[in-house]
Amino acid sequence: KAGVTQTPRYLIKTRGQQVTLSCSPISGHRSVSWYQQTPGQGLQFLFEYFSETQRNKGNFPGRFSGRQFSNSRSEMNVSTLELGDSALYLCASSPGENNEKLFFGSGTQLSVL
Amino acid sequence: SQQGEEDPQALSIQEGENATMNCSYKTSINNLQWYRQNSGRGLVHLILIRSNEREKHSGRLRVTLDTSKKSSSLLITASRAADTASYFCATYAGKSTFGDGTTLTVKP
Repeated sequence: KAGVTQTPRYLIKTRGQQVTLSCSPISGHRSVSWYQQTPGQGLQFLFEYFSETQRNKGNFPGRFSGRQFSNSRSEMNVSTLELGDSALYLCASSPGENNEKLFFGSGTQLSVL
Repeated sequence: SQQGEEDPQALSIQEGENATMNCSYKTSINNLQWYRQNSGRGLVHLILIRSNEREKHSGRLRVTLDTSKKSSSLLITASRAADTASYFCATYAGKSTFGDGTTLTVKP
């Protein structure tokens, strides 16, 4: 089985731009969650989707949004980028609803200049 | 702040020694998980322990859970240079919440 695939691997943007990150979960996994990782704040939960519905949302501003498609692939979007949005964005999938074991992608390293 | 907090933040040992990392959390949990992350990569699930379990083993890994103290420990025995990574605990109670991690360096 292929693992969780995140694209792109690296991204450089400038302040004010917007960005869309993509995540393809492991085949058969219906839950996808997103995390932001920075040296100062650690791993912060962004949101989680299950069967196209957002089940949980972290404490991030409305500039951060996401969605999940019928094939379980997920995208997250960040609008009006700020310097502080520079981070490693990680996507994780799990087979069921209770997320007892998360399978992570390699992440998208976003740099905002 | 994070639900889970690891201690110590950094640990440096020689190959062959044991490494112990601790995690404390604040609220009731269904289970606690440990993950490993190599630099700049995604996390890899190591082991899960449920709230009704006290100890679990997987290869060179031993995890304990004390729900009365809201704490867990991860022991890696006979460490290898390849164990060099950051280790995170994660608690699950409706959603997964990760601690700040312990950076382990194993010197050959």
